Amino acid sequence: AQKVTQAQTEISVVEKEDVTLDCVYETRDTTYYLFWYKQPPSGELVFLIRRNSFDEQNEISGRYSWNFQKSTSSFNFTITASQVVDSAVYFCALSETLDQAGTALIFGKGTTLSVSS
Amino acid sequence: DGGITQSPKYLFRKEGQNVTLSCEQNLNHDAMYWYRQDPGQGLRLIYYSQIVNDFQKGDIAEGYSVSREKKESFPLTVTSAQKNPTAFYLCASSMGDRNYNEQFFGPGTRLTVL
Repeated sequence: AQKVTQAQTEISVVEKEDVTLDCVYETRDTTYYLFWYKQPPSGELVFLIRRNSFDEQNEISGRYSWNFQKSTSSFNFTITASQVVDSAVYFCALSETLDQAGTALIFGKGTTLSVSS
Repeated sequence: DGGITQSPKYLFRKEGQNVTLSCEQNLNHDAMYWYRQDPGQGLRLIYYSQIVNDFQKGDIAEGYSVSREKKESFPLTVTSAQKNPTAFYLCASSMGDRNYNEQFFGPGTRLTVL
């Protein structure tokens, strides 16, 4: 079965600390995509990154970086020098091929990150 | 500005009533989705639609209904058959092909049953 596990329910850090959010997935598909979304207190999910299963290069975007390791089925997300504005719930998601064509997303339960000043 | 709008932001329902949540997008996306989010939980798929006039049940479709008469619109009706409808409902859209494109989300509707 397709599954996404985010073992960390809540993380609290102080500003400027680095923090890593873990994501482990299970899939039978040979081609799949992984995503990270941010959900601030307003509730709307904000897309952060999409990574396909054939690309294991790490990616960096400003203070954000992602480490994809196919061997361990993990797609971890690191925020460097965290800021109060990073406080949010972060979701990892896995693509799922639908019976009627197209795809949907399977979400983990999310990690709540609290950054204090 | 292109995006997804959902209305209302907050909705209160008495037990036994049907209510309809609105979702509109102007991104010219073919696919649209409805998710339900409960506290401390991830998002669970209720219904999805890949093209106009066609939609499919997701993982938790019981007690819900949808329609897709226009490309831009994908309303969700929460019926009285839904036993525990209090939740946060999110609508999303994507390009809809098999290229695993990211989904874009609306701001959500928080439904409370009184």
